[in-house]
Amino acid sequence: NAGVTQTPKFRVLKTGQSMTLLCAQDMNHEYMYWYRQDPGMGLRLIHYSVGEGTTAKGEVPDGYNVSRLKKQNFLLGLESAAPSQTSVYFCASSYPGRGETQYFGPGTRLLVL
Amino acid sequence: GQSLEQPSEVTAVEGAIVQINCTYQTSGFYGLSWYQQHDGGAPTFLSYNALDGLEETGRFSSFLSRSDSYGYLLLQELQMKDSASYFCAVRRGSTLGRLYFGRGTQLTVWP
Repeated sequence: NAGVTQTPKFRVLKTGQSMTLLCAQDMNHEYMYWYRQDPGMGLRLIHYSVGEGTTAKGEVPDGYNVSRLKKQNFLLGLESAAPSQTSVYFCASSYPGRGETQYFGPGTRLLVL
Repeated sequence: GQSLEQPSEVTAVEGAIVQINCTYQTSGFYGLSWYQQHDGGAPTFLSYNALDGLEETGRFSSFLSRSDSYGYLLLQELQMKDSASYFCAVRRGSTLGRLYFGRGTQLTVWP
């Protein structure tokens, strides 16, 4: 099993460009999450999903959109990238009601110039 | 709102014992989790306490006191590979299981 995978691993964007980060998990988890991690900060929840076709806002949702069309995939979109979105983005998944035990992907490093 | 306080850095030598504390303020508390993250890596789950007391998993133990809004992670027989960041996180919500993370404690283990 691959666990949680993320694509791409690294990306450089110019201000105003758009992109989509892909997260895939093969553990049949219902819940999926997108976090961002900045230096000296913990992980902050951007958006999450409790099942196929459902999404909800986390702590820092502004500037991001998400979609969960398939149970195994969770997409994070940046419509118009800003330098403040330079960060490391982590996707995670968990079983329902077991949000304390989340399985993380390797991360995507995004630099917005 | 919610807040989590943990020390930013801790250092220790191989073979020693180290305790990383975490105090929290939150509504809707359902438990305290601990995650480990090596430089450049992904966070990995270490332990979870929903009830007061000590949970032991090998060299690592985690403790929770809900009345004191306090918990700690205890690492015994430290090894060089334990050098990493350790995050405490509170679980908010019985079914949604959203986590709110602290800023992390950088542990450096010296030979």
